[in-house]
Amino acid sequence: QQQVKQSPQSLIVQKGGISIINCAYENTAFDYFPWYQQFPGKGPALLIAIRPDVSEKKEGRFTISFNKSAKQFSLHIMDSQPGDSATYFCAAMDSSYKLIFGSGTRLLVRP
Amino acid sequence: DADVTQTPRNRITKTGKRIMLECSQTKGHDRMYWYRQDPGLGLRLIYYSFDVKDINKGEISDGYSVSRQAQAKFSLSLESAIPNQTALYFCATSGPGTGSSPLEQYFGPGTRLTVT
Repeated sequence: QQQVKQSPQSLIVQKGGISIINCAYENTAFDYFPWYQQFPGKGPALLIAIRPDVSEKKEGRFTISFNKSAKQFSLHIMDSQPGDSATYFCAAMDSSYKLIFGSGTRLLVRP
Repeated sequence: DADVTQTPRNRITKTGKRIMLECSQTKGHDRMYWYRQDPGLGLRLIYYSFDVKDINKGEISDGYSVSRQAQAKFSLSLESAIPNQTALYFCATSGPGTGSSPLEQYFGPGTRLTVT
């Protein structure tokens, strides 16, 4: 059972464009929603995270938009750069400290 | 990644062999996790441990076992490896600690395991 659904599987964006990755969840007990970034040959690393009591969180060029009623959240990468090319995972956590990950999005930013 | 180390980084083994993957952390975290990554499936939780005496099964524990030898060490064993256990394996840690958010999971660099 896939509790966190992520789309698209892959995304190609031109340099300077906006990258948007979407996730939907089912379990209303989730209360922490991180995004992880993974470069080839490396482990995932936390990029940005949000709690459900806010609708948006911005850190530099990265923004999470959160819609609690729709049980959806998304990552927006503004002014996308070739160095942003990586695999991105959304995830959700409940009070048990376990993360449920989405299936991942491979982002390629063309120069 | 230096705070969480995994050995070996790459391993090729044959069907039926027993293999152990090791994880060590210097972050002082209580919580440790083992994940498996497969293309198109994301990361799936195999086992997790919240302290030395606490071991819990994750989503896909069949065919795997773990040992928490110390707060800083958490190993994953495949008792009798099979080809569909070919994957990337990641160890992660979380918990209160110096400079750490208690919710953030810190991942090791991964072990690429191939079972032939």
